[in-house]
Amino acid sequence: GAVVSQHPSRVICKSGTSVKIECRSLDFQATTMFWYRQFPKQSLMLMATSNEGSKATYEQGVEKDKFLINHASLTLSTLTVTSAHPEDSSFYICSAKGVGGNTIYFGEGSWLTVV
Amino acid sequence: ELKVEQNPLFLSMQEGKNYTIYCNYSTTSDRLYWYRQDPGKSLESLFVLLSNGAVKQEGRLMASLDTKARLSTLHITAAVHDLSATYFCAVGAWTSGTYKYIFGTGTRLKVLA
Repeated sequence: GAVVSQHPSRVICKSGTSVKIECRSLDFQATTMFWYRQFPKQSLMLMATSNEGSKATYEQGVEKDKFLINHASLTLSTLTVTSAHPEDSSFYICSAKGVGGNTIYFGEGSWLTVV
Repeated sequence: ELKVEQNPLFLSMQEGKNYTIYCNYSTTSDRLYWYRQDPGKSLESLFVLLSNGAVKQEGRLMASLDTKARLSTLHITAAVHDLSATYFCAVGAWTSGTYKYIFGTGTRLKVLA
């Protein structure tokens, strides 16, 4: 079946630095990718929707200059958390949807800890 | 704005009992998903429902969709401890010019032996 891979699965970074999380679709072309953030014991909150080759659409309240999303190819989207702060520590999950498909596939998630 | 609500938020039940989790959403949608999430893990897809009246069953779980009522249910039959997890519904819909998948609040299920 379709697989979406996220990397890294866990990352610790210092406050003020930037960290990049990759989301890859391994066996299908992902025309649309979604990035979510999940705080402990809470639901998944959609951060942004990205379509290959175009700018991401950010949800209200999500800082586009802080959470940079790039979807330059049909198999890769990246989320870069810039100038990270401890409050950015969270579980980040991507999902991907292929052309004409009804199903979205989730990555394994990435734990970000900012110290 | 698409809103998705689940209830109950927390559910503690005895093994062998039946119960239903409800998922209500606020706008027209063409697909609804149910997921399971174990602590510290990503999401496991359970069901995708695409049409009014759709019913799908896998083991002790059965999901249904009523698009007219904008309601989906996840029914648990004869619960066992292994079903303890958090369950989310997610609704796909066009909103503000973009197709999005919005998650419900989640239901934390604990099955007691």
